[in-house]
Amino acid sequence: NAGVTQTPKFQVLKTGQSMTLQCAQDMNHEYMSWYRQDPGMGLRLIHYSVGAGITDQGEVPNGYNVSRSTTEDFPLRLLSAAPSQTSVYFCASSYSGHGRILNTEAFFGQGTRLTVV
Amino acid sequence: SQQGEEDPQALSIQEGENATMNCSYKTSINNLQWYRQNSGRGLVHLILIRSNEREKHSGRLRVTLDTSKKSSSLLITASRAADTASYFCATDAGSNFGNEKLTFGTGTRLTIIP
Repeated sequence: NAGVTQTPKFQVLKTGQSMTLQCAQDMNHEYMSWYRQDPGMGLRLIHYSVGAGITDQGEVPNGYNVSRSTTEDFPLRLLSAAPSQTSVYFCASSYSGHGRILNTEAFFGQGTRLTVV
Repeated sequence: SQQGEEDPQALSIQEGENATMNCSYKTSINNLQWYRQNSGRGLVHLILIRSNEREKHSGRLRVTLDTSKKSSSLLITASRAADTASYFCATDAGSNFGNEKLTFGTGTRLTIIP
């Protein structure tokens, strides 16, 4: 199993450009989420999904869109990049089973380092 | 605002010593998790403790949970250079079924001095 795969690993964007950060998992996990990590801020939740076709907002959703058309993929779209979106982005997935989704560990991708100039 | 806050923000100890870091959270939880992050890498799960548990062990790791004080501690015994990393607590506080969120603290940066 590859686990959680994020692409690209590095990206530089100009202000106003749009792009999609890809996230794929091969563990058949229902729960997937996106975080951003900034120095001194820990990880902040952007969007999450409890299953295909279902998404919801986290703590810092503004400027980002998500969709979940398949169990495996959970792309994150930056609509119009701003310097404030310079960050490291992490995708994570968890198995939910029949109980509470957060009773199991989250698996993380290796991150995408995004710079907006 | 962050749900979890780790203390201290940074910790440096000699190899072989024990390292203790603490996590405080604000609202009731169902479980609390600890993760490790090596520089430039993704997070790796270490241990999960449920709200009805008070202590849990995994190898050199010992986690305690005090729900009355809304706090948890992570103890790493006999530290090694490879333990140098950032450590984060995460909780499901504020979640309800169909609205699950895993919220992370700001982390403790642990440095093991050889």
